[in-house]
Parts: sequence; structure tokens; C-alpha cells
Amino acid sequence: EVQLVESGGGSRQPGGSLRLSCETSGFIFSEYAMSWVRQAPGKGLDWVAGISGGGGGEVYGDSMKGRFSISRDNQANTVHLNIVNLRVDDTAIYYCAKSTGWYVATKYFDWWGQGTLVTVSS
Amino acid sequence: QPVLTQPPSSSASPGESARLTCTLSSDLDVANYNIYWYQLKSGRPPRFLLFYYSDSNQGQGSGVPSRFSGSKDTSANAGILVISGLQSDDEADYYCLIWPSKSWVFGGGTKLTVL
Repeated sequence: EVQLVESGGGSRQPGGSLRLSCETSGFIFSEYAMSWVRQAPGKGLDWVAGISGGGGGEVYGDSMKGRFSISRDNQANTVHLNIVNLRVDDTAIYYCAKSTGWYVATKYFDWWGQGTLVTVSS
Repeated sequence: QPVLTQPPSSSASPGESARLTCTLSSDLDVANYNIYWYQLKSGRPPRFLLFYYSDSNQGQGSGVPSRFSGSKDTSANAGILVISGLQSDDEADYYCLIWPSKSWVFGGGTKLTVL
């Protein structure tokens, strides 16, 4: 059974940083791209970033470039999202999602984690 | 920047059909894209429902009943999600998704109320 479990969320102050992690099981991790998607309170889904199965092809949402960094550890079956210079509007549930293929492009998301809540407030 | 526009809300009665639209911005031609649909309920992760490109190129998510179907309205430049035989459990937010060129783009979502 495919499982994705996010961790690393919590409360942070503006200007701070954090690292989210998503541990996976139930599939051959290195064969699939992974993404992070967030949902701010009362808002819709917003794609943050994706990374190819091999880890070389990182892609970011238009408004996510600069402060977000996605990476993966294929030995540990884990994908990470680093966020620096946190802003209040980064407050959201952050989901990791498994793609249906190696590449980020055009390979939609078939499995999602439960999400981890990040709250940025002074 | 590509935009997907969804009506904020929709409603229908149990047993009826709901037709949810996802209109692509004018710089995109719906005929050229796979339209993916997701269901989101409070406290649960998004659930993949289906994708639609054409009648001969479409797919259903695992365990998703055939009451959920997709189509396109090329005259409106929109992707369509139809939910027939509505059940109270179908009350949720529904999002469309496409890959226009360099990133994934979600629509703003439609909150479906089953009256």
C-alpha cells in the first residue's frame, strides 16, 4: 500500500525557515517524481514544487521561486521542502504528492499524504 | 500566466447531476490538454478522480465510481466534470489541474453543495 507521511510543520515566526519531510513506502520511490502542494486557510490548492525521480529536474511554481527548495533522498525514500524567509502568507497545509511517472511535467498526482500544517505568525 | 477559472460554488439535489466547469484562459486551447480533476474534503488529502483528454483518451482514478465523468466544451474552452446520481457524500471541493508548459496549475476550486 502506498503511504506518504509528512512531518516538520509547526509554528514559525516571519523570517524564519523550516524543512518539511515526506517519508514514503509502498512503491519504488526512485521511479517517480514527487511534488509539494499547499492549501492556505480558506484558499485553493497551489502547486509549490516538483522533483523528478532521479532528483535532477526541479520545477517550481511561478510564485514559489527563490524561497523554496525541493530535494529528495532516494535511499531514504524521502522528499524534502525547505522554505526560507518565511512569510505570514506561507501559512498553509503542505501536502506531498506522488506523480504517475519519472518526470514532473505532465505526470499527474495519484497519491497524497495527509498534509502537515505550517503556521507563520509573529 | 495561464489561469483556470472555476465557479466558486455549485449546488444540486440528491439524485440529480452536477456539471462543474473549468475554463482555460484564452492563451490556452482546451483541446490540447489533459484535464485532471480532484476532490477535496475537509481533513482529508485530495483524491484523484479522473482525467479527460478525449473520449478515447481518458482515465478514472482507482475506486472512483463511473458516476464521475469528464468531457470538454471546446466552444467554451472548458473542461467539464459531471457527477451523476448525486449523493450527500459528494459534497466537497472540486479542483481542476493542467500542465500548460512549465508548471502545474490548479483552478480555484468549486464548492459543491448537495441540497
